[in-house]
Amino acid sequence: QVQLVESGGGVVQPGGSLRLSCAASGFTFSSYGMHWVRQAPGKGLEWVAFIRYDGSNKYYADSVKGRFTISRDNSKNTLYLQMNSLRAEDTAVYYCAKDIGEYYGSGSLIDYWGQGTLVTVSS
Amino acid sequence: QLVLTQSPSASASLGASVKLTCTLSSGHSSYAIAWHQQQPEKGPRYLMKLNSDGSHSKGDGIPDRFSGSSSGAERYLTISSLQSEDEADYYCQTWGTGIQRVFGGGTKLTVL
Repeated sequence: QVQLVESGGGVVQPGGSLRLSCAASGFTFSSYGMHWVRQAPGKGLEWVAFIRYDGSNKYYADSVKGRFTISRDNSKNTLYLQMNSLRAEDTAVYYCAKDIGEYYGSGSLIDYWGQGTLVTVSS
Repeated sequence: QLVLTQSPSASASLGASVKLTCTLSSGHSSYAIAWHQQQPEKGPRYLMKLNSDGSHSKGDGIPDRFSGSSSGAERYLTISSLQSEDEADYYCQTWGTGIQRVFGGGTKLTVL
């Protein structure tokens, strides 16, 4: 069965950096695009970033563009989110999610979610 | 710009049926969406992909009580024989490389 396990969350000061990881199993990781989605406390879901199955295309929400970088290591079945210049408004639970489309170059809908990891940006 | 609109809240009685709506903004009635459920204090769970013609494919283990349908720019999620565990937030989701607001605002369903 598909499993997505996020790690790397924690408390960081404004302006700091953090790298999230997502370990994937139960499917051919290298065949699927992957997303990061976040949810601020008491708020709805906000899409953050997408990476193509081979890592060659990446898309970002305007709110994180230039500060966050999505990447993947298909040899390790792992997805990453490098977060720099963190702000208080980046405080959220961050979810790793699998794209529904095999070999979809530009991404599609989400069909599996991880359990999330909490990032708190506070001094 | 594609925007998904959902009512903030809905309620229905235990054992009854409820129909939740996700409306695509003008000019985007051909888009497929996904429905996701988020129970309290849990991560989201994929329910189904719903196409513009009403055809849908459900995720692993999703009960038959959950179904989808479409009409024009409206995408519906119907839950029949409501159970207490159906009390949750429900989000619709779309996708396009230029779309920023990928998710609707969510509907909080209360089971009375």
